[in-house]
Amino acid sequence: DAGVIQSPRHEVTEMGQEVTLRCKPISGHNSLFWYRQTMMRGLELLIYFNNNVPIDDSGMPEDRFSAKMPNASFSTLKIQPSEPRDSAVYFCASSRVETQYFGPGTRLLVL
Amino acid sequence: AQSVTQPDIHITVSEGASLELRCNYSYGATPYLFWYVQSPGQGLQLLLKYFSGDTLVQGIKGFEAEFKRSQSSFNLRKPSVHWSDAAEYFCAVVRYNNNDMRFGAGTRLTVKP
Repeated sequence: DAGVIQSPRHEVTEMGQEVTLRCKPISGHNSLFWYRQTMMRGLELLIYFNNNVPIDDSGMPEDRFSAKMPNASFSTLKIQPSEPRDSAVYFCASSRVETQYFGPGTRLLVL
Repeated sequence: AQSVTQPDIHITVSEGASLELRCNYSYGATPYLFWYVQSPGQGLQLLLKYFSGDTLVQGIKGFEAEFKRSQSSFNLRKPSVHWSDAAEYFCAVVRYNNNDMRFGAGTRLTVKP
């Protein structure tokens, strides 16, 4: 099993640019989660999907953030326009029941 | 409000010494409990989990944790720490029949030679 796959692993962009983060969950898992990790705020749940349907997006910071899950094997988190305060590590996790398995993360730097 | 507390932000132990990392939670009922470890620049790796049954659970890398309902605690232990255990450790809880996982702030472990 390849585990949760995230791309890119690192992203450096300029303020105002669109950023798209990608995630492939573990095959057979029906829940997918997007987290953001910063020194100041720790791990924050942004949004999660169950069977490709967004269930709770209350953690999405603002309208600049959007997430989609068009099928069971792919999800994207998009930031448009990006701002320096969006700099963080973004993790994707997937689960079949209660236990979540995390990807390696995407380290985003917005200049 | 539901919360997870890791009282120790940073712990330093000598290699070979024993380790205990504390975790307390506040929920209405017994949730599912987890410990994850995060090495620098890496994702979170599951160490162990508790759902029900025996309150002492064994995990990977020689770690164990004990659930104490009376204290709402789920402390992580290891009898002899190795230098490779230096990392950030997160306690997490999930309410029964709910996907919402809440994390503690993490405890950073430094291992002295």
